[in-house]
Amino acid sequence: SQKIEQNSEALNIQEGKTATLTCNYTNYSPAYLQWYRQDPGRGPVFLLLIRENEKEKRKERLKVTFDTTLKQSLFHITASQPADSATYLCALPMYSGGGADGLTFGKGTHLIIQP
Amino acid sequence: DAGVIQSPRHEVTEMGQEVTLRCKPISGHDYLFWYRQTMMRGLELLIYFNNNVPIDDSGMPEDRFSAKMPNASFSTLKIQPSEPRDSAVYFCASSDQSGTEENTIYFGEGSWLTVV
Repeated sequence: SQKIEQNSEALNIQEGKTATLTCNYTNYSPAYLQWYRQDPGRGPVFLLLIRENEKEKRKERLKVTFDTTLKQSLFHITASQPADSATYLCALPMYSGGGADGLTFGKGTHLIIQP
Repeated sequence: DAGVIQSPRHEVTEMGQEVTLRCKPISGHDYLFWYRQTMMRGLELLIYFNNNVPIDDSGMPEDRFSAKMPNASFSTLKIQPSEPRDSAVYFCASSDQSGTEENTIYFGEGSWLTVV
């Protein structure tokens, strides 16, 4: 199965700046990659999916890139706001092929946007 | 839709007791997942079902853990006997694989289990 690495240290960003989070994986290249947001005491919530043949995906202030050569995805939040403070999780299919499987998750990066 | 509904939200139990966690998935979803989250290990997939049938239970830690899905709208995760190391947040999640959502998973709010 997949091994996922996300920066375990909290990321402190000043409001209005762009926050960039990294997700690295070590085994097979997945058919897609997802990002979730988790607030304290809540379940993860889906944000974005990017497929292996897509280099970049955008949704409002969010942008995700996917580099299958580097085995890395970057998650950007532009014009960050204190309300963006949360833990962000990267997720990939558990097994190669990207079929109907469970997802394996990284441990997440805690993002803090300071006013 | 009300989303994935889990109960209880919080449970404190003594070591050795049986614990049953319950889940109602989103109506129409054909996949149901049980995850466990701890600080040390993050989110771990325990087991998942497709159309009420268990597909992969390789993540279930021990025989003390069992899961059932008697119908499309209900699943349980049981721990018997419970141990302090089982303390964690247990999430139930569901997804609709028949559409175009490519395994987007919808999580419940979790059941916070503390075994003392």
